[in-house]
Amino acid sequence: DQQVKQNSPSLSVQEGRISILNCDYTNSMFDYFLWYKKYPAEGPTFLISISSIKDKNEDGRFTVFLNKSAKHLSLHIVPSQPGDSAVYFCAASPPSGSARQLTFGSGTQLTVLP
Amino acid sequence: EAGVTQFPSHSVIEKGQTVTLRCDPISGHDNLYWYRRVMGKEIKFLLHFVKESKQDESGMPNNRFLAERTGGTYSTLKVQPAELEDSGVYFCASSRRRQETQYFGPGTRLLVL
Repeated sequence: DQQVKQNSPSLSVQEGRISILNCDYTNSMFDYFLWYKKYPAEGPTFLISISSIKDKNEDGRFTVFLNKSAKHLSLHIVPSQPGDSAVYFCAASPPSGSARQLTFGSGTQLTVLP
Repeated sequence: EAGVTQFPSHSVIEKGQTVTLRCDPISGHDNLYWYRRVMGKEIKFLLHFVKESKQDESGMPNNRFLAERTGGTYSTLKVQPAELEDSGVYFCASSRRRQETQYFGPGTRLLVL
């Protein structure tokens, strides 16, 4: 049973507009969440993270929002650029006292149209 | 600083054969992780080394998989004998400390025929 779910396998957005990628999780023990970006034939690249003690973290064009009560997080990309086209994985991690194995969602393919 | 490297990039073998994948983590990273992505699905955790010790191998699918990290540097993941369902992309990741960001290698694409 998947503990991290990305229900949208694909998303297309016009260049300059906002991209919103969503992720839901079921395990309430997760306390650290990450987004990775993956280009074809490459490994996942870390993008941004958020601790469960926060509800928002921002880094340039990328903002991650966490709603713990809904067990939901989202990644906002503003403005979207063609180079952002990639597969985006949401990942979650248990508390820092245990092994930091990541549990991933199945990914969302983002296509930014010029 | 060199990133995580993996060898080979691709491997095509027949069912029943043996394959060994190698991962070289970022220098100074004590934590090394193996993950696998099968059939375009989610990336799944296989195991975690801290230096040369296996910290967590709860994700290893069965005893056909053997991971080692002798000397706490590079790691190998051996599949023997390989089965069709072992096909997928095997990723290695490393981090300096357990709580820090994991950096991924490019992966090894394994196809078992």
